[in-house]
Amino acid sequence: EIVLTQSPATLSLSPGERATLSCRASQSVSSYLAWYQQKPGQAPRLLIYDASNRATGIPARFSGSGSGTDFTLTISSLEPEDFAVYYCQQRSNWEYTFGQGTKLEIK
Amino acid sequence: EVQLVESGGGLVKPGGSLRLSCAASGFTFSSYSMNWVRQAPGKGLEWVSSISSSSSYIYYADSVKGRFTISRDNAKNSLYLQMNSLRAEDTAVYYCARDVPRITGNFDYWGQGTLVTVSS
Repeated sequence: EIVLTQSPATLSLSPGERATLSCRASQSVSSYLAWYQQKPGQAPRLLIYDASNRATGIPARFSGSGSGTDFTLTISSLEPEDFAVYYCQQRSNWEYTFGQGTKLEIK
Repeated sequence: EVQLVESGGGLVKPGGSLRLSCAASGFTFSSYSMNWVRQAPGKGLEWVSSISSSSSYIYYADSVKGRFTISRDNAKNSLYLQMNSLRAEDTAVYYCARDVPRITGNFDYWGQGTLVTVSS
């Protein structure tokens, strides 16, 4: 099983600031890494797939980068609606796994 | 508009069974692989199972292998999860999710989830 480790566990920032979230894989997942956003009481929403491709309707302030074992989700300027939990997920093999999540909270 | 609506959750005793359903609309269901993903209360996401568009390929997480069975009925635009030998650790919200078009293993549309509680 490929283990995904996200850091930090919690990130406290203010609206307008830049957010950088990390995801590290226990072995290479090539570029098969996605990012999801989840707000309380809601289903997850796909933000980024294959490391750097924005999903349909996702604002340009969200960007993804990385390959192999190290990946980053960047939110260039935080909006109030961006405060949520973010998960990375790999599809390198059929046993898909998620990271444990990073909670982005308002400072 | 793509819609996925889960049903069938509820309270069940350890060792019991439950069958979840997911009704799909707004897209050509028979063209997409589908998935079940669960989330225990206050915890993260866990992929459970996937099924290809024609049911040719089926995969399970080790945690449910041999106990859960995924299936689909393309004529009814429906996805199912038969859950047997349920354990307390299976307690979670169960989501059905659609694969991104032509991208197996990423999920672009999710249902609202159905809660399964396994408790005596």
